[in-house]
Amino acid sequence: GQSLEQPSEVTAVEGAIVQINCTYQTSGFYGLSWYQQHDGGAPTFLSYNGLDGLEETGRFSSFLSRSDSYGYLLLQELQMKDSASYFCAVNYGGSQGNLIFGKGTKLSVKP
Amino acid sequence: EPEVTQTPSHQVTQMGQEVILRCVPISNHLYFYWYRQILGQKVEFLVSFYNNEISEKSEIFDDQFSVERPDGSNFTLKIRSTKLEDSAMYFCASRRQGAYSGYTFGSGTRLTVV
Repeated sequence: GQSLEQPSEVTAVEGAIVQINCTYQTSGFYGLSWYQQHDGGAPTFLSYNGLDGLEETGRFSSFLSRSDSYGYLLLQELQMKDSASYFCAVNYGGSQGNLIFGKGTKLSVKP
Repeated sequence: EPEVTQTPSHQVTQMGQEVILRCVPISNHLYFYWYRQILGQKVEFLVSFYNNEISEKSEIFDDQFSVERPDGSNFTLKIRSTKLEDSAMYFCASRRQGAYSGYTFGSGTRLTVV
């Protein structure tokens, strides 16, 4: 079967750093993406890792280790507006870009 | 910033009725998708569409579902005979061709089957 595992909930305080881990087991793998979704909203693309290593985009960074079938999203200098659900998603469909999503991690940022 | 537009934002329908969910993808995007999300659960793949044909569909996308790109701008999802378990948020997404780029999702259509 195909599965992605990530923690269901994480709580942190404003200004802190939080890491959301994702492990995956899929029949095909072309890359790992991260999406943010606020309550009632659409998923918003954050980052993509096609190769091992770290990708940095402002306060957000994402890491991938293909040999460990593992990745993480790192959020720095947390702000209240970062409270949302974060989904890892595996691109298993190559150029078609089809995605399998994890169940999501609900991040709550406290003052 | 370009957007994916979905209509309606919310649709209530009776079980057994047909519904059509509409989407206008970003104009220079070539890959189109439908995903759904049952309340509180993960986003699930339904179908991908490229070059005017379905490129892949999931087990969820059975004979009751169909997609069309009737006029080069709209991208529709039809459910022929809705069931209670079809109640979900349906997201349309698109992305451009080339090296993998992230999806742009629409704001979704909340379908409620009663």
